[in-house]
Amino acid sequence: QVQLQESGPGLVKPSQTLSLTCTVSGGSINSGGYYWSWIRQHPGKGLEWIGYISYSGSAYYNPSLKSPVTISVDMSKNQFSLQLRSVTAADTAVYYCARTRTVTNYFDYWGQGTLLTVSS
Amino acid sequence: NVLTQSPGTLSLSPGERATLSCRASQSVSSSYLAWYQQKPGQAPRLLIYDASSRATGIPDRFSGSGSGTDFTLTISRLEPEDFAVYYCQQYSSSPWTFGQGTRVDIK
Repeated sequence: QVQLQESGPGLVKPSQTLSLTCTVSGGSINSGGYYWSWIRQHPGKGLEWIGYISYSGSAYYNPSLKSPVTISVDMSKNQFSLQLRSVTAADTAVYYCARTRTVTNYFDYWGQGTLLTVSS
Repeated sequence: NVLTQSPGTLSLSPGERATLSCRASQSVSSSYLAWYQQKPGQAPRLLIYDASSRATGIPDRFSGSGSGTDFTLTISRLEPEDFAVYYCQQYSSSPWTFGQGTRVDIK
């Protein structure tokens, strides 16, 4: 059973860089056949897909995002990470990591989510 | 591809039938549409993928249908644990997008 677990600082100041990590257990990111995504949910709102990274390290981002974003992978730790630069209050949200298959891109496994608050 | 869900809120009693709609602004090819259930404080849970295939462990009271731009999630008989928010998601074209959600409340 694949499990995903997000970790992050909880609180960051405006204009800082946000870094979140997703640790995958019960399966290897390196096994191929899947994309590893970040999704966020603003308080009381719907879901927004941020982007994904493949086992090969290729990343794709939602072009509608306003904040600069980078997703990276660390195979040795079976983790992938999200970096958001120059954050604003609009980046306050619950951030989820999730898995999709490469052929049909529905999200079959999700982390529990981590709340990030941007505030001075 | 913008997904519009209706109604925004559905107030029903346990045992009743729930019909949720998801309409896409562009055709969803290959019926690449999924439905998720989200309860307060929890991550979304996959219910339906490819418009009509139930995910592992999902009870058969949940069913999905539709094609093109119009899709439906039906819950045949609401159980107490089914009161939640439901989202549709298309993965036919990038960027993958979600609808704004339908809340199913206890009447």
